[in-house]
Amino acid sequence: DTAVSQTPKYLVTQMGNDKSIKCEQNLGHDTMYWYKQDSKKFLKIMFSYNNKELIINETVPNRFSPKSPDKAHLNLHINSLELGDSAVYFCASSQDPPGGGETQYFGPGTRLLVL
Amino acid sequence: GQNIDQPTEMTATEGAIVQINCTYQTSGFNGLFWYQQHAGEAPTFLSYNVLDGLEEKGRFSSFLSRSKGYSYLLLKELQMKDSASYLCAVKDSNYQLIWGAGTKLIIKP
Repeated sequence: DTAVSQTPKYLVTQMGNDKSIKCEQNLGHDTMYWYKQDSKKFLKIMFSYNNKELIINETVPNRFSPKSPDKAHLNLHINSLELGDSAVYFCASSQDPPGGGETQYFGPGTRLLVL
Repeated sequence: GQNIDQPTEMTATEGAIVQINCTYQTSGFNGLFWYQQHAGEAPTFLSYNVLDGLEEKGRFSSFLSRSKGYSYLLLKELQMKDSASYLCAVKDSNYQLIWGAGTKLIIKP
């Protein structure tokens, strides 16, 4: 009964490949997020969806495309992977849109290594 | 630009008290969060401050001074399991969370 789950947990792939990471939350939350945590441990917001609609879209390469089929799922597709994409990608969810003290619940992370 | 500053690493002794500081310069302020992240795991929520003062929650307390752009996380009666990174994050005027790089806390017996 994991609250926020991500698959796969580890992903090793070659440069130039296309890959997807899936995220699901069973908390009934309305808002979901994708973060990238690099080797320096900075967490950077990439995207946020509220009720399947995009509400935050930070400056990320357009090789990254999120997709939210329903409010419980937010997937991340990455085209033409580059070495610099190697990082840990965290999915998170919260009850409300970013507007106050809502707590974000994080998934276990997907460790992506591009060779 | 927006900036969150925390010490990179701190060491403390089991049973002791440690204070982790966070200073911020952001475009607006809509709350400050502290998260704990164990190595190889996801961040988990610890505390939220939006008004000045001290919020206490068991062994952990968090303090905020908005005029000084300053917060601290106070951990009492340290346990070995408290060894982790502690992330400070501020919600700016656009309600986006700006994250610090985290403070790695090492607890020694």
